[in-house]
Amino acid sequence: ETGVTQSPTHLIKTRGQQVTLRCSSQSGHNTVSWYQQALGQGPQFIFQYYREEENGRGNFPPRFSGLQFPNYSSELNVNALELDDSALYLCASSGGSSSYEQYFGPGTRLTVT
Amino acid sequence: KQEVTQIPAALSVPEGENLVLNCSFTDSAIYNLQWFRQDPGKGLTSLLLIQSSQREQTSGRLNASLDKSSGRSTLYIAASQPGDSATYLCAATGFQKLVFGTGTRLLVSP
Repeated sequence: ETGVTQSPTHLIKTRGQQVTLRCSSQSGHNTVSWYQQALGQGPQFIFQYYREEENGRGNFPPRFSGLQFPNYSSELNVNALELDDSALYLCASSGGSSSYEQYFGPGTRLTVT
Repeated sequence: KQEVTQIPAALSVPEGENLVLNCSFTDSAIYNLQWFRQDPGKGLTSLLLIQSSQREQTSGRLNASLDKSSGRSTLYIAASQPGDSATYLCAATGFQKLVFGTGTRLLVSP
């Protein structure tokens, strides 16, 4: 069984640029959630995708957007990057027999300069 | 709105000590309560998940309890080891999302 993977592991961008982060869900899972974790804080829910549709959204502006593909992998896109977007971005997949338990990937560290 | 608080924010203990980490949540309407471990700069590793109908779960030296009526969960670590040093996060599961506390940073000294 393959776990949740994310790419890239690290990324440095300039304020105003756009970024795309990728996540492959665990085998058998049809739901992907994205979280932002600022330094010293707990992760904050960005949004969730279920069977290619957005299925809930946290308190993040529209410049945070996402996609889920037929194989249930997912992308997080952030436009017009701001310095405060610097964080660890975590992807979690769920579904299958343990539908409520979320399994996290290793994260992507985004630095905005 | 669900809010999750963890106490203490940091804890330093000598190896071999038993310890308790605390988590409280404001809305008792949760699906389950999940405890995670996070090593510096890394992702989250799930330790224990307690469903809302359960009172506790155990895995090895770890035991987690849940009291929905009081809005509290505890993570008990027996016979702590230096390899247990990490940040421990609890998360309350509502519809669609996890709501996390800010974590307890644990340091176990040899």
